[in-house]
Amino acid sequence: QLQLQESGSGLVKPSQTLTLTCAVSGGSINSGGHSWTWNRQSPGKGLEWIGSVFYSGSPYYNPSLKGRVTISVDRSKQQFSLRLTSVTAADTAVYFCARGDGSSFDTWGQGTLVTVSS
Amino acid sequence: EIVLTQSPGTLSLSPGERATLSCRASQSVSTNYLAWYQQKPGQAPRLLIYGASTRATGIPDRFSGSGSGTDFTLTISRLEPEDFAVYYCQQYGDSPPSITFGGGTRVEIK
Repeated sequence: QLQLQESGSGLVKPSQTLTLTCAVSGGSINSGGHSWTWNRQSPGKGLEWIGSVFYSGSPYYNPSLKGRVTISVDRSKQQFSLRLTSVTAADTAVYFCARGDGSSFDTWGQGTLVTVSS
Repeated sequence: EIVLTQSPGTLSLSPGERATLSCRASQSVSTNYLAWYQQKPGQAPRLLIYGASTRATGIPDRFSGSGSGTDFTLTISRLEPEDFAVYYCQQYGDSPPSITFGGGTRVEIK
């Protein structure tokens, strides 16, 4: 059964760069037709899509993040990563990696809390 | 961007009752690319329904989805104790790819 596991820094200073990695196990990151996605959830709030890399390799991002986000896939390492620059307190959230199967997300990581604070 | 509005914000019901959750889109959702998720405290969301009405693997048949265009509904026919949670709808638009979630409906024990 496919499993996803987030890792990375839990505390980032304002204006710095948030970097997270999602390790894929129990299945292949090269399996056809799937996308690899990052979503987040601010404390006590709803879910927000950050961006996805589709099977074609093309990334698409939430326009609200205004060019601060990059998602990359390392197929040889069975992992994908999130990079979010110029963070502020508004970026404090639980970050989830997920696999997209068509138009929905069928597998999620457990989530990792990232706090932006000096 | 398609905005999804979920109602009600909170639904207070007793076990065994029927729950009806609404998700309304600001414009038509293409090819019924509408999904529903359940989230419990401290957990990741779990996919319940995709394609507006298809249950995901392992989801009990008391969960059903319906609707098209801009109006979608998640129905839980008889609430079990484990069903009290927050439910989110999510849409996928494919030109270019764009994804949005609704604000959620909390189903709480009355």
